[in-house]
Amino acid sequence: DQQVKQNSPSLSVQEGRISILNCDYTNSMFDYFLWYKKYPAEGPTFLISISSIKDKNEDGRFTVFLNKSAKHLSLHIVPSQPGDSAVYFCAASDSGTYKYIFGTGTRLKVLA
Amino acid sequence: GAGVSQSPSNKVTEKGKDVELRCDPISGHTALYWYRQRLGQGLEFLIYFQGNSAPDKSGLPSDRFSAERTGESVSTLTIQRTQQEDSAVYLCASSVRGGTNEKLFFGSGTQLSVL
Repeated sequence: DQQVKQNSPSLSVQEGRISILNCDYTNSMFDYFLWYKKYPAEGPTFLISISSIKDKNEDGRFTVFLNKSAKHLSLHIVPSQPGDSAVYFCAASDSGTYKYIFGTGTRLKVLA
Repeated sequence: GAGVSQSPSNKVTEKGKDVELRCDPISGHTALYWYRQRLGQGLEFLIYFQGNSAPDKSGLPSDRFSAERTGESVSTLTIQRTQQEDSAVYLCASSVRGGTNEKLFFGSGTQLSVL
């Protein structure tokens, strides 16, 4: 049972436009969410996180939105840059545990 | 070192052989995780170590898989009698305490290919 789902395996966006990456989860106990970026032959690197007490968190060009009722989160990148081309993973955990459940990833390609 | 270090970066082995993968976490990080990423799939939790507590082995796929950690430092993931379905990137991560609301720092992974 896939508790964290990223239904779009890939996404292409023109440079300068907005990239929107989506993530859905099924476990209502999840209350902490993270986004990671992964380049080929490198480990995932932390991008941004959000706690369930918020519905939005912003860091520079990156904003994460959380819709608890829909069990949905999204990552917005504005403006998109060619260097943003990577695989993006969302991950979730619930308070009191240490186990992070990851989605299958979305490959973003930003076209110059 | 400054980051999580894994070795080897690549390992090719024959079916039936044993392999050992190593992880050096960030100094001072008490929590250590192993994840696996098969081709086209997400990160799959394998095992978690926190300080001197008993590890959470709930993600290990079979008894051919085992892992050890020496204190709060190096960890070794061992796969015995490797099978072709073990081919994957094995990722190690560490965090400060392994508690909630903590981010994980990942190594570059070991690409394991079982022929």
